[in-house]
Amino acid sequence: QKEVEQNSGPLSVPEGAIASLNCTYSDRGSQSFFWYRQYSGKSPELIMFIYSNGDKEDGRFTAQLNKASQYVSLLIRDSQPSDSATYLCAVTLSGGSYIPTFGRGTSLIVHP
Amino acid sequence: ETGVTQTPRHLVMGMTNKKSLKCEQHLGHNAMYWYKQSAKKPLELMFVYSLEERVENNSVPSRFSPECPNSSHLFLHLHTLQPEDSALYLCASSEGSVSPLHFGNGTRLTVT
Repeated sequence: QKEVEQNSGPLSVPEGAIASLNCTYSDRGSQSFFWYRQYSGKSPELIMFIYSNGDKEDGRFTAQLNKASQYVSLLIRDSQPSDSATYLCAVTLSGGSYIPTFGRGTSLIVHP
Repeated sequence: ETGVTQTPRHLVMGMTNKKSLKCEQHLGHNAMYWYKQSAKKPLELMFVYSLEERVENNSVPSRFSPECPNSSHLFLHLHTLQPEDSALYLCASSEGSVSPLHFGNGTRLTVT
């Protein structure tokens, strides 16, 4: 059974702090890793993707991938109230599969 | 118009009705997806089409019937649904097997 696990939260952080969101996955064949943000009542939108071990930075966002430990994380620096949303982790197998598997999502609340 | 467009945005139907959800992508992608999102559950993959061929049917009941007439259009035909089918139905597209998904705004379906 291929699974993607996330703590449902909510994760509450003060404005300006670093928010750390974690995701673990069970399938060692996973090759592509994505973080989506979903505001209440809206559809998911892509924030970051990462394919290789290590860190990938884009503005206030950093994705970290550790394939040996089978986890991927998302760090949000200088968190803003507008970052309050549910963050979905998704992984995709290699070998031509078109099937991204999503976690349940972590609810993030950034309070002023 | 750009991106992924879904219609209708909201749909209320009785258990004996027949209705269809429509999705159109203007991104030149070659894969399209239907996902179901229920409260407190991960996004559930329903169907995947690649180059207009169905490559995945994730054990979805036959009361849901997909149709992909070309690489830009995807339909989900609904008939004799159950109240537990009430959910947000999301269409997405991607460029390839390991590419990020681009989601439409979704159809909020209520079965009475």
